[in-house]
Amino acid sequence: AQKVTQAQTEISVVEKEDVTLDCVYETRDTTYYLFWYKQPPSGELVFLIRRNSFDEQNEISGRYSWNFQKSTSSFNFTITASQVVDSAVYFCALSGNTGTASKLTFGTGTRLQVTL
Amino acid sequence: NAGVTQTPKFQVLKTGQSMTLQCAQDMNHEYMSWYRQDPGMGLRLIHYSVGAGITDQGEVPNGYNVSRSTTEDFPLRLLSAAPSQTSVYFCASSYEGFGPLHFGNGTRLTVT
Repeated sequence: AQKVTQAQTEISVVEKEDVTLDCVYETRDTTYYLFWYKQPPSGELVFLIRRNSFDEQNEISGRYSWNFQKSTSSFNFTITASQVVDSAVYFCALSGNTGTASKLTFGTGTRLQVTL
Repeated sequence: NAGVTQTPKFQVLKTGQSMTLQCAQDMNHEYMSWYRQDPGMGLRLIHYSVGAGITDQGEVPNGYNVSRSTTEDFPLRLLSAAPSQTSVYFCASSYEGFGPLHFGNGTRLTVT
C-alpha cells in the first residue's frame, strides 16, 4: 500500500522567511511519481510539480524549490522569501506503477500561513 | 477551453436522497477521477476511469456509482445520501496515466 505523510499540520511564518514543507512517502513500486499541489483559500487545487522516481535532480522554479531524496523517501518543498500570497494548504501526492492511472495517494496537507 | 467543469458548486441533501454530481472536461483527457476532501484527511480517491466505458473503484467507493459513456463526462452518483458523505468533492482529469491532474473547482455537499 502507498502512503504519504505530511507531519507538519500547520506552519506560520513572517513574510520573507524561508519555509520548508516536508513530505515522506512509502511505496513498493520501482516506478512512481511525486506531486505537489497548492490549495489557496479560494479552494481550487493547483498543480505545482511532478517528479518521477528516476530523476533525483533538485528543481527550482522562481522562489519554489524541491528536494527529492530516494534514500530517505522524501520530497520536500521549500519556499524562499515567502509572501502572503503563498498562504495555502499544500498537498504532497504519490502515484505508483499500478498499471492504471489517475490514482493519487495524497498526504493530509500542510497549512501555511504567511503574515506581514 | 473551460478545463474541468463541476456542477453544482453547492448542494444540500436530506439523508436518503439521491443525486448526481456532474463533471465534464473539454481537454480530450482519457483519465478522469473523483476525490473527496475531508478536514484533516487530505483527498481520497472514490472512483476513476481510464477511458470511456472503463471505470474502477478507488479507496472509498461505498455509496457512490460512476459511469463513463463519453470521454468528456464522468458523473458521480450518490445512491442514498448519508451524513458521512458530507464533504467537498473534486473531479479531475489527466492526459496521461501519470500526468498531473487538472481539477475542477469542487462541489461542497452537505447531507442533513
